[in-house]
Amino acid sequence: DAKTTQPTSMDCAEGRAANLPCNHSTISGNEYVYWYRQIHSQGPQYIIHGLKNNETNEMASLIITEDRKSSTLILPHATLRDTAVYYCIVSSAGNMLTFGGGTRLMVKP
Amino acid sequence: GAGVSQSPRYKVTKRGQDVALRCDPISGHVSLYWYRQALGQGPEFLTYFNYEAQQDKSGLPNDRFSAERPEGSISTLTIQRTEQRDSAMYRCASSLGAGKRTQYFGPGTRLLVL
Repeated sequence: DAKTTQPTSMDCAEGRAANLPCNHSTISGNEYVYWYRQIHSQGPQYIIHGLKNNETNEMASLIITEDRKSSTLILPHATLRDTAVYYCIVSSAGNMLTFGGGTRLMVKP
Repeated sequence: GAGVSQSPRYKVTKRGQDVALRCDPISGHVSLYWYRQALGQGPEFLTYFNYEAQQDKSGLPNDRFSAERPEGSISTLTIQRTEQRDSAMYRCASSLGAGKRTQYFGPGTRLLVL
């Protein structure tokens, strides 16, 4: 599976949009982009995934560039409860997830 | 509905003892994954199953680690002759399989080897 690069940490003001970038320049055609987050010591929580089109669900939006070499996870109105480590993962069908270091998002009041 | 469950939630054992960690996946989920997570790091893949068949065990660190899923539902991860370096959070995840890739994680078992 392709590797991903994410900033180590980010801050966001409560109520504002949080935009978390991810680079995956070696992504191959059959690999999806997944986003998970981990709040404190809880298990990783699925957020969203996509192949090449932008995706939106009740939690977030995923914007994937046309060349698929990078993506951005958008939390439209961040709350304090969104403080977590966010993992961007590239994976092909049925495979294990390879977690990198993730981005530690701190939402501040 | 019920999510992935794991037991025990906490396990303290002495070095040299064997431990068995249990994972009960979401009902109907075909694929089951085991990960290990050290403090401050992301989960690291250990092994996974489709139904009862172990598909990939490349992440198991050595032959003291083994896993089984005999009836294609509950899985057990066994660590023989535990060592202090085995101390970690052990996480299980399951997915519907057959192209449904999203993995849902359980709460984990925290293992401490003294």
